[in-house]
Amino acid sequence: DIQMTQSPSSLSASVGDRVTITCRASQSISSYLNWYQQKPGKAPKLLIYAASSLQSGVPSRFSGSGSGTDFTLTISSLQPEDFATYYCQQSYSTPRTFGQGTRLEIK
Amino acid sequence: EVQLVESGGGLVQPGGSLRLSCAASGFTFSSYWMHWVRQAPGKGLVWVSRINSDGSSTSYADSVKGRFTISRDNAKNTLYLQMNSLRAEDTAVYYCARVRVLVGYFDYWGQGTLVTVSS
Repeated sequence: DIQMTQSPSSLSASVGDRVTITCRASQSISSYLNWYQQKPGKAPKLLIYAASSLQSGVPSRFSGSGSGTDFTLTISSLQPEDFATYYCQQSYSTPRTFGQGTRLEIK
Repeated sequence: EVQLVESGGGLVQPGGSLRLSCAASGFTFSSYWMHWVRQAPGKGLVWVSRINSDGSSTSYADSVKGRFTISRDNAKNTLYLQMNSLRAEDTAVYYCARVRVLVGYFDYWGQGTLVTVSS
């Protein structure tokens, strides 16, 4: 199975900050990397697919990059509604695996 | 509008069974592969199972293999997860999700249904 490791596990930031979350795969997954946002009590929401493609309707302050084993999710200017937990997920092989999550909290 | 609505969760004793359903609408259900993903209380997302568009191919996480069965009824636009021999560690919110096959991302998720395994 491919292991996905996110860092940091939690992060405190302020509105307006630029934030970067990283995700590392245990083997190369090309660009088969997706990012989701989850708020408490809600289902995950797709933000970025194929490492860098922005899902329709997602604000342009979200961006993704990377290929192979190392990936990043960047939020260019944090908004109050962005405080949530973020997960990466590989879709290169089965079983699909997720990172452990990064909890983004208000400083 | 794409909608996925799960049902069938609840409290069940260890060793018991439960069948989850996921009713799909707003898209051509029979054209899409579907997955189940679960999330234990306070924990992260864990992939459980997937089924192809016509139901002829399935796959399972090792943790549920031999105990869970995924199926679908394309005439009823419904996805199922039959869960047998349930254990305490199966306690979680179960989400169904639609997948874009070529790239493999989950573009729509249901609201989730809670399964609690406890005596």
